[in-house]
Amino acid sequence: DAGITQSPRYKITETGRQVTLMCHQTWSHSYMFWYRQDLGHGLRLIYYSAAADITDKGEVPDGYVVSRSKTENFPLTLESATRSQTSVYFCASSRFDRDTEAFFGQGTRLTVV
Amino acid sequence: AQSVAQPEDQVNVAEGNPLTVKCTYSVSGNPYLFWYVQYPNRGLQFLLKYITGDNLVKGSYGFEAEFNKSQTSFHLKKPSALVSDSALYFCAVREGGGADGLTFGKGTHLIIQP
Repeated sequence: DAGITQSPRYKITETGRQVTLMCHQTWSHSYMFWYRQDLGHGLRLIYYSAAADITDKGEVPDGYVVSRSKTENFPLTLESATRSQTSVYFCASSRFDRDTEAFFGQGTRLTVV
Repeated sequence: AQSVAQPEDQVNVAEGNPLTVKCTYSVSGNPYLFWYVQYPNRGLQFLLKYITGDNLVKGSYGFEAEFNKSQTSFHLKKPSALVSDSALYFCAVREGGGADGLTFGKGTHLIIQP
């Protein structure tokens, strides 16, 4: 089906472990984004990508790594998970044009224990 | 730097009454403004956007928003609220020609009472 999908939907991991959140979109959108949603903070941008092999930091990039070898995939890796990274993570994509809206995935609820 | 403020954590409205969810923004250039809605355990859904042109923009589900450049505001409105409008609403801004990601406000819980 067309759209943007995230996996897994729910994840529990232990402090210090590496975990990767997956994001896949079928629209061939140029831009892809990772946000985290926390109470009292709204959504904050972690990383974004303007095209394959082009990534850049957002507002809260520390502790996260991204890659984008293919246009349709934009995985987010927590290299050594910490409790402060417990959050809901959203992936989004948008066309190249800057005035177009972003489309969001369903989110991944990550708990670090 | 761009920023968005949603001054109300929660807005309560009786069903059938008009509703307003407030948003003010700050950018150094021309703003691209968006409203999104989030239902429980779901992703964000796009409602409407202002890029240029008419200050009153219409969007999905009967919502509209008014862009006011002098007050740097982009308030979301609906003439007659429905219980099904109850959700979390986010205002977002992107500076035209500037940084690439959307900057979101903290969100406003809209509660429509029957």
